[in-house]
Amino acid sequence: QKEVEQDPGPLSVPEGAIVSLNCTYSNSAFQYFMWYRQYSRKGPELLMYTYSSGNKEDGRFTAQVDKSSKYISLFIRDSQPSDSATYLCAMTNTNAGKSTFGDGTTLTVKP
Amino acid sequence: DAGVIQSPRHEVTEMGQEVTLRCKPISGHNSLFWYRQTMMRGLELLIYFNNNVPIDDSGMPEDRFSAKMPNASFSTLKIQPSEPRDSAVYFCASSVDRQDIQYFGAGTRLSVL
Repeated sequence: QKEVEQDPGPLSVPEGAIVSLNCTYSNSAFQYFMWYRQYSRKGPELLMYTYSSGNKEDGRFTAQVDKSSKYISLFIRDSQPSDSATYLCAMTNTNAGKSTFGDGTTLTVKP
Repeated sequence: DAGVIQSPRHEVTEMGQEVTLRCKPISGHNSLFWYRQTMMRGLELLIYFNNNVPIDDSGMPEDRFSAKMPNASFSTLKIQPSEPRDSAVYFCASSVDRQDIQYFGAGTRLSVL
């Protein structure tokens, strides 16, 4: 079993929809939680970065972390065609000093 | 800052040839990571360096793969000899410290025929 499991998708939604992307993890040593966005033929770019359980909001994006359930989510409100990309969750074990990535969920927002 | 710079962007080579991928991290970043991305296996960490020293190379698939970081501003990933199954996109990323946010380059798309 992988340390980080991500809903595989693909996900296709109409413009304006609310999108929910999810990851679960098994390693309780993970302390930092990140969401990266990767456009086609580009490198991943950081979207959200959280440390503790709870919600963090940035514009249309909300990252949610539930350490007790080992579950993280990314919500996108009022989704736009420009949000079409692959979204990767990532988690950092500070003791090991490296991040573990989910396999990514490909999102398509149709106009 | 220009971000993490990788070269070449695309590489097409024949099986058995040596391939060298290059990376220039963001100035001031102390940690550098090499990843491989494929449809089947997703994003895999191959090796990472902290202060130019290799810390964890457990992700390097075989002895055909080697990586060096001779100074804080340059790293190479070498495959010798290359095989068709090495075809993938190889990313380099850097961070201020190894637990910190990683910034990725645009990647090198490698095709081994």
